[in-house]
Amino acid sequence: KAGVTQTPRYLIKTRGQQVTLSCSPISGHRSVSWYQQTPGQGLQFLFEYFSETQRNKGNFPGRFSGRQFSNSRSEMNVSTLELGDSALYLCASHGGGHLVDEQYFGPGTRLTVT
Amino acid sequence: DQQVKQNSPSLSVQEGRISILNCDYTNSMFDYFLWYKKYPAEGPTFLISISSIKDKNEDGRFTVFLNKSAKHLSLHIVPSQPGDSAVYFCAASARNTDKLIFGTGTRLQVFP
Repeated sequence: KAGVTQTPRYLIKTRGQQVTLSCSPISGHRSVSWYQQTPGQGLQFLFEYFSETQRNKGNFPGRFSGRQFSNSRSEMNVSTLELGDSALYLCASHGGGHLVDEQYFGPGTRLTVT
Repeated sequence: DQQVKQNSPSLSVQEGRISILNCDYTNSMFDYFLWYKKYPAEGPTFLISISSIKDKNEDGRFTVFLNKSAKHLSLHIVPSQPGDSAVYFCAASARNTDKLIFGTGTRLQVFP
């Protein structure tokens, strides 16, 4: 069974631009969560989508948004990029039960904002 | 406000010895705890978990201990192997919130 895939793996953007990241969950998984990893902050929860609906949300500004498609693939968008948005963005999928059940993470997208 | 804290950013242990990674939390509502391991250029992988109704859970070389009164959990790896070298994240959740709160991670290096 294929794992969680994320595209692109690396991205360089300029301040003020917007970016869209993609995540394909494990086949059959209906839940996708997004996290931001930065040095010193660990993994911070952005949001979770389940069956095309946002089910949970972290404490990030409205510049961070997401969506999920009927095939469970998910996209995350960051508008008006800031230098502080430079981070590794990870998505994780699981079968749709309680969020704390074992999640499978993708390799991440490394975003650099200059 | 960091609700889950891993105060040691790094740990170095000799192969064959015990590795002890620590994690503290502040939210008394947390009732489920997990450890993830992360290698460079890969996503975190689930390692072991523990419910608040237990104080110990063991899986092979890995044991997690939970001290609810101290709001502290630890991961013991015995014996440590070079392949265990990675960043370890602890995470916590309160079941009524459906959110996982991660710590900042501890980089473990196991040397021969």
